[in-house]
Amino acid sequence: AQSVSQHNHHVILSEAASLELGCNYSYGGTVNLFWYVQYPGQHLQLLLKYFSGDPLVKGIKGFEAEFIKSKFSFNLRKPSVQWSDTAEYFCAVTMIKAAGNKLTFGGGTRVLVKP
Amino acid sequence: EAGVTQSPTHLIKTRGQQATLRCSPISGHTSVYWYQQALGLGLQFLLWYDEGEERNRGNFPPRFSGRQFPNYSSELNVNALELEDSALYLCASRVHRSPTANEKLFFGSGTQLSVL
Repeated sequence: AQSVSQHNHHVILSEAASLELGCNYSYGGTVNLFWYVQYPGQHLQLLLKYFSGDPLVKGIKGFEAEFIKSKFSFNLRKPSVQWSDTAEYFCAVTMIKAAGNKLTFGGGTRVLVKP
Repeated sequence: EAGVTQSPTHLIKTRGQQATLRCSPISGHTSVYWYQQALGLGLQFLLWYDEGEERNRGNFPPRFSGRQFPNYSSELNVNALELEDSALYLCASRVHRSPTANEKLFFGSGTQLSVL
């Protein structure tokens, strides 16, 4: 079955450290890729998305992600985190199918940035 | 334990009609969120209910409305349907509303609404 995996469930790091969150999916067809963030007490917000074109995508708040088709990956990165980046991050993949697209979320990664 | 369940899975309507989408949260979850994913876009926040009250709504017209029942299940109603309302509507639930906590969100599989 198609799935989306986020390997890190919890990440703790200090301010100014670099962040990379892994996301892998299992589907050989065309995909649309998303990263969402949920700050404490808030609803989901879109960080960035990839549909086609340049596989290196820049999003809001200094985040970027790289689509590597051969590795079925869409890892999220930020060179220097801030305390305000403490949140839960979700990777999501829409698998494009003739019978109907399927949107699947990863399990989420909780990121704690220590001041 | 059952996850977040949404019904129907697919819904086909014509312009001007009304659509009702349903969501049952995970047992014990009091907060329910509704999101819209239209073609070519990411998730757009629609509505948030907690303890039976609407806590927040996204930038959608008033013809998008909903409610939360005493058992915490929720309905999303879309009146006077327009073609651009065709989208996947996702429901998510979590334990409870808290200003500082970061309770995990659990998603349903969505309702695919097609407006013809």
